[in-house]
Amino acid sequence: AQTVTQSQPEMSVQEAETVTLSCTYDTSESNYYLFWYKQPPSRQMILVIRQEAYKQQNATENRFSVNFQKAAKSFSLKISDSQLGDTAMYFCAFMKPPAAGNEKLTFGTGTRLTIIP
Amino acid sequence: DSGVTQTPKHLITATGQRVTLRCSPRSGDLSVYWYQQSLDQGLQFLIQYYNGEERAKGNILERFSAQQFPDLHSELNLSSLELGDSALYFCASSAERDTPNTGELFFGEGSRLTVL
Repeated sequence: AQTVTQSQPEMSVQEAETVTLSCTYDTSESNYYLFWYKQPPSRQMILVIRQEAYKQQNATENRFSVNFQKAAKSFSLKISDSQLGDTAMYFCAFMKPPAAGNEKLTFGTGTRLTIIP
Repeated sequence: DSGVTQTPKHLITATGQRVTLRCSPRSGDLSVYWYQQSLDQGLQFLIQYYNGEERAKGNILERFSAQQFPDLHSELNLSSLELGDSALYFCASSAERDTPNTGELFFGEGSRLTVL
């Protein structure tokens, strides 16, 4: 079974600074997907970024980027120029290779990020 | 707006009662997933349906059951409710018919259940 570990329960950073959230995972699969989801106070789950394990290039989405280290089974999220709207719970998640009708996500316990004005 | 609709948004009930949570997936999506999020915890996978059939089961209690109907909407039934069942229940959908699978799940806004 896959496991996802987020070792930072809470973090805070000043607005406009850069912050990195850590995530490690354990799997015997060679191909898989990794995700970061954001859950703001509204409780809606919002996809931030996705990484396919067979792609060596780290994914980026505007101010969000990842550092994917496959051998170390590490998948950290970097938020640059942090904004007040980035305040949220952030969940790292793992998925086996997507096949028709099988996209179960395994989530970490989350990191509560607070952006300080 | 993810396109996934969950009802009700909030529900308050008493111990021992039974409730039904409803989920309408995105148009064209064949898979529905149910997750439970207890207070300030991560999301725990409960069960998945694909095109009407159960595909995967997680840590779902025997007091809970689910089904997916021919129109692809799904219901999660929770019975003999206990205080510990109070949580946010999310539905997510994926696997749009005839579309390459990207692995992305689309989440509804959740149904918050409070058991008193």
